[in-house]
Amino acid sequence: SAVISQKPSRDICQRGTSLTIQCQVDSQVTMMFWYRQQPGQSLTLIATANQGSEATYESGFVIDKFPISRPNLTFSTLTVSNMSPEDSSIYLCSAGRGRNTGELFFGEGSRLTVL
Amino acid sequence: ELKVEQNPLFLSMQEGKNYTIYCNYSTTSDRLYWYRQDPGKSLESLFVLLSNGAVKQEGRLMASLDTKARLSTLHITAAVHDLSATYFCAGNSQGAQKLVFGQGTRLTINP
Repeated sequence: SAVISQKPSRDICQRGTSLTIQCQVDSQVTMMFWYRQQPGQSLTLIATANQGSEATYESGFVIDKFPISRPNLTFSTLTVSNMSPEDSSIYLCSAGRGRNTGELFFGEGSRLTVL
Repeated sequence: ELKVEQNPLFLSMQEGKNYTIYCNYSTTSDRLYWYRQDPGKSLESLFVLLSNGAVKQEGRLMASLDTKARLSTLHITAAVHDLSATYFCAGNSQGAQKLVFGQGTRLTINP
């Protein structure tokens, strides 16, 4: 298994500000993803974090709002920009070693509350 | 586009009873995942089902996959209170590792 650490674990933010969430994996992984889980809801994929290149965003998510970096195989960041109360969610980092291995692991999540 | 649907969405049951959560998916999926989420916590991987007819068991939980019917089930045997949680199934479109999640089933097991 992979151990995934996220920081911050929670934060309270003011409207209009931006916050960067960090995701660190304890071993090299092929794939890294960012998900959002709104209160009481399921998980929605925001984007695939690609090492050394621009992230691949899902429909409804754009780079200006959710810029993502992945400078190496074990680290990624997600920024939530110009936050509004609608951005209050849990943001989860996920990682896997490749299609053949099957498993995808999740970090503890970062719970953001926007006032 | 892959869609994943679970039912029921809410399930309240008594300890000692058996029940099944169903997970239907709309198009071919390489594999089917089951996760558990406790309140305020992240997702814990329970099972990864890789092929048609796959069956995996861990304690009181057993998961199976029927790719022809595009159906996976999570069966709970002789439920205990500790199994109270939200259970998610997820699939991935062929050739992709990103997951599409079902709505989740909130399971409450009463003494």
